[in-house]
Amino acid sequence: GESVGLHLPTLSVQEGDNSIINCAYSNSASDYFIWYKQESGKGPQFIIDIRSNMDKRQGQRVTVLLNKTVKHLSLQIAATQPGDSAVYFCAERGSYIPTFGRGTSLIVHP
Amino acid sequence: ETGVTQSPTHLIKTRGQQVTLRCSSQSGHNTVSWYQQALGQGPQFIFQYYREEENGRGNFPPRFSGLQFPNYSSELNVNALELDDSALYLCASSLDSDTQYFGPGTRLTVL
Repeated sequence: GESVGLHLPTLSVQEGDNSIINCAYSNSASDYFIWYKQESGKGPQFIIDIRSNMDKRQGQRVTVLLNKTVKHLSLQIAATQPGDSAVYFCAERGSYIPTFGRGTSLIVHP
Repeated sequence: ETGVTQSPTHLIKTRGQQVTLRCSSQSGHNTVSWYQQALGQGPQFIFQYYREEENGRGNFPPRFSGLQFPNYSSELNVNALELDDSALYLCASSLDSDTQYFGPGTRLTVL
């Protein structure tokens, strides 16, 4: 079975709202987590990563939170824009190969 | 753009045929990984090449094979195509085990 998974297949938000995409993982040995964004017809695009020795990491309009106790991570997108509409994948890299979940489709309504 | 290119963009084959997909890695990257992404699914790891050697393999049969060339570009070969091989094939390049950058993919349809 998959070692990573996302809680919801689709998330709909209004433009300007904050979005939160959640992800659970099962491998407690995973030490590196990555969020990717995949737009229609394109390959996954790296957004942000976090190592297991951190709880939080911030980028431009994005924040990743890692809760190792419950094996959960989340991606927060501030002031969501129509261009943020895409499928978001979390991936864990216990060794050197990322293992992807199924993805959450983020739909941003104007 | 990531600098990773793949060819062809789309491909249609029939069951039993063979296919070769190509990937040019980002400048300075020495590692290429290949993934299969079925519709509505996340990418599934096929294998990885590091400095022309296979460096890890996922749960795919031997009819999936690959090569990496001295310039670090790579090929994915699939023999005896099956209907379930229809998918988006992604390659990703990286420097060693650092962040992987994906190409746009090749959409393979097997009829």
